[in-house]
Amino acid sequence: GAVVSQHPSWVICKSGTSVKIECRSLDFQATTMFWYRQFPKQSLMLMATSNEGSKATYEQGVEKDKFLINHASLTLSTLTVTSAHPEDSSFYICSARDPLVVGELFFGEGSRLTVL
Amino acid sequence: EDKVVQSPLSLVVHEGDTVTLNCSYEVTNFRSLLWYKQEKKAPTFLFMLTSSGIEKKSGRLSSILDKKELFSILNITATQTGDSAIYLCAVGKRATTSGTYKYIFGTGTRLKVLA
Repeated sequence: GAVVSQHPSWVICKSGTSVKIECRSLDFQATTMFWYRQFPKQSLMLMATSNEGSKATYEQGVEKDKFLINHASLTLSTLTVTSAHPEDSSFYICSARDPLVVGELFFGEGSRLTVL
Repeated sequence: EDKVVQSPLSLVVHEGDTVTLNCSYEVTNFRSLLWYKQEKKAPTFLFMLTSSGIEKKSGRLSSILDKKELFSILNITATQTGDSAIYLCAVGKRATTSGTYKYIFGTGTRLKVLA
């Protein structure tokens, strides 16, 4: 199946710094990628839909200035958590659709962010 | 507002038991329903359902969709300790304004299988 790579797997940063997470589709071109956030023992919450070459579509309640998404190419989307605070600590996971594979969503390995 | 609700939230069974996990949804522009298993990190794909009444089967797992009553079930027979995981249901829809696809996940069911 299609492979989605996410980096870094985990990151620890100080409050006030910015953190960038990368999501790459390795063997297919993804015009659309999705960013989810998962709190402990909870499900995946869709944050935004990342569209190649255009602005991301954010879900209600997600601050677009806080969570900057860039989808500059067909194989790379980045999520930057700006001025991170401890409440931003979470598991962030990206996913992508392979246009040639109907319906299925492929996931990255996830990134665990801890803000001190 | 779109909703995907799974039940039960958590379940503890013994090896060999059969379990049925439920996923109900209220989503506009429904396109597909997907089941995933999440153990530690990334969810792994189990099934995709688009048509009512057609059972999908893979080993001890099976799933079916009812588009009239807006729900799906995931069955696991002869459970094993390796089945312990969070099972996620996701509904794929076409967003009304942008027309792009998006996926909304349910609350998840945490299954623990005891030896």
